Amino acid sequence: GAVVSQHPSRVICKSGTSVKIECRSLDFQATTMFWYRQFPKQSLMLMATSNEGSKATYEQGVEKDKFLINHASLTLSTLTVASAHPEDSSFYICSARRRLGYEQYFGPGTRLTVT
Amino acid sequence: ILNVEQSPQSLHVQEGDSTNFTCSFPSSNFYALHWYRWETAKSPEALFVMTLNGDEKKKGRISATLNTKEGYSYLYIKGSQPEDSATYLCAFALKTSYDKVIFGPGTSLSVIP
Repeated sequence: GAVVSQHPSRVICKSGTSVKIECRSLDFQATTMFWYRQFPKQSLMLMATSNEGSKATYEQGVEKDKFLINHASLTLSTLTVASAHPEDSSFYICSARRRLGYEQYFGPGTRLTVT
Repeated sequence: ILNVEQSPQSLHVQEGDSTNFTCSFPSSNFYALHWYRWETAKSPEALFVMTLNGDEKKKGRISATLNTKEGYSYLYIKGSQPEDSATYLCAFALKTSYDKVIFGPGTSLSVIP
């Protein structure tokens, strides 16, 4: 149990377009989902925390108008990178957590390349 | 700024060797310490969650210890196998915001057959 999928796994887009990444918990209800970003050779950096049905909480320095997060159901959260630019190119990965417990279950990540 | 450090950054060992690596974290405001294994092209997989000073956890050939007073955790792999090749991440959760974890940069392990 505790499988999280992420789609797409890889996306290449042109500068100025918006990209949506989906994160789904396949066999459990995720009351909380987390979005991380990883730059080459660096740690996973938390971008935002989202609870089902409420607005996401963004970490300092993360633009909420640029990285739009929607956690519309207990199994789905989406991250939309609005008007993507080359500096948004990165590896984005989500995780999901059940109501009880603090273990996070991760998706496989999405590699975004903006040209 | 809270920092979680891991050492070494990478290591190569022969099949059958035992190995260990370190995670260092702030000793104050501690809530939990997580270890994950992350194989290439897969999702990070949770190995252990430890909350108490002196905790020791074991899963097969992998074990971990925790010292919250001095702010470190060791991960040990006994008799390394090629399938142990992965990046091992530790993540520290704060008491004041245990929802969130701060990840270390990882230790990349390659086990040579």
